[in-house]
Amino acid sequence: DTGVSQDPRHKITKRGQNVTFRCDPISEHNRLYWYRQTLGQGPEFLTYFQNEAQLEKSRLLSDRFSAERPKGSFSTLEIQRTEQGDSAMYLCASSLGAGTGRETQYFGPGTRLLVL
Amino acid sequence: GENVEQHPSTLSVQEGDSAVIKCTYSDSASNYFPWYKQELGKRPQLIIDIRSNVGEKKDQRIAVTLNKTAKHFSLHITETQPEDSAVYFCAASWGYQKVTFGIGTKLQVIP
Repeated sequence: DTGVSQDPRHKITKRGQNVTFRCDPISEHNRLYWYRQTLGQGPEFLTYFQNEAQLEKSRLLSDRFSAERPKGSFSTLEIQRTEQGDSAMYLCASSLGAGTGRETQYFGPGTRLLVL
Repeated sequence: GENVEQHPSTLSVQEGDSAVIKCTYSDSASNYFPWYKQELGKRPQLIIDIRSNVGEKKDQRIAVTLNKTAKHFSLHITETQPEDSAVYFCAASWGYQKVTFGIGTKLQVIP
C-alpha cells in the first residue's frame, strides 16, 4: 500500500497519560499535515511540515501538543497529559507541495483517540 | 483566518435525482477549493477540486462551480446512486497550505 499510513489506528488512554501517534506519508510527498476531527465536524488543521520544517501551527495546538518530522519523512504527534477533550480522530495528510496539481492532500486512515 | 460555511447539513434525495451542496468562504485570498467525500469510518477522499482561475469543473456526474466575487462555491452531483451516500466536505485553502473545512453535509440517496 503506497498511501498515507498511521499507527496506531485506535488508542485508549487514561486522563493524564502521554500518547504518541505516527504518520508515514506517501514517499515522494514533502508536505505533511495533521488535522483533528470530532464527531459531526470537518477536520480542523493542527500543523504542517515542509520537509522537516514545521511551518505553521494552529491556535488549537496547545503546549501539550508537539509534532516532529525529524528527517522529513515520517512524523509523530505527541499529546502530553491527555484530557477528555482530546478525544477525537487524528488525521494525517500529505501532498507533493506548492504548485498547480501538487497541492492535493491525501489523507491517512486516522488514529482514533479515546481519553477516559 | 479562513472560515468556510456549508449547507445543508443533511440532504436526502431519491436515487437518480441531483444533489447540490453550497459553501461560502471568507478569505478572498483563498485560491484552491477541494471537495472531499468521507464514508463512515473511512478517511476523507478527494473527489474534485477547483482553482480560483476557473469558474467551473466537471468530472462525470460531479461538477463544481466557483463564484469568486460572491465567495461561493457549490458541488453538484447528478444521477445520484446509493453509493454516493456519505458525508461531503467543502474546503478552502490559500497558497496550497492548510485547508479549512466546512462542517460537512450528510448525503443520503434513497433507492
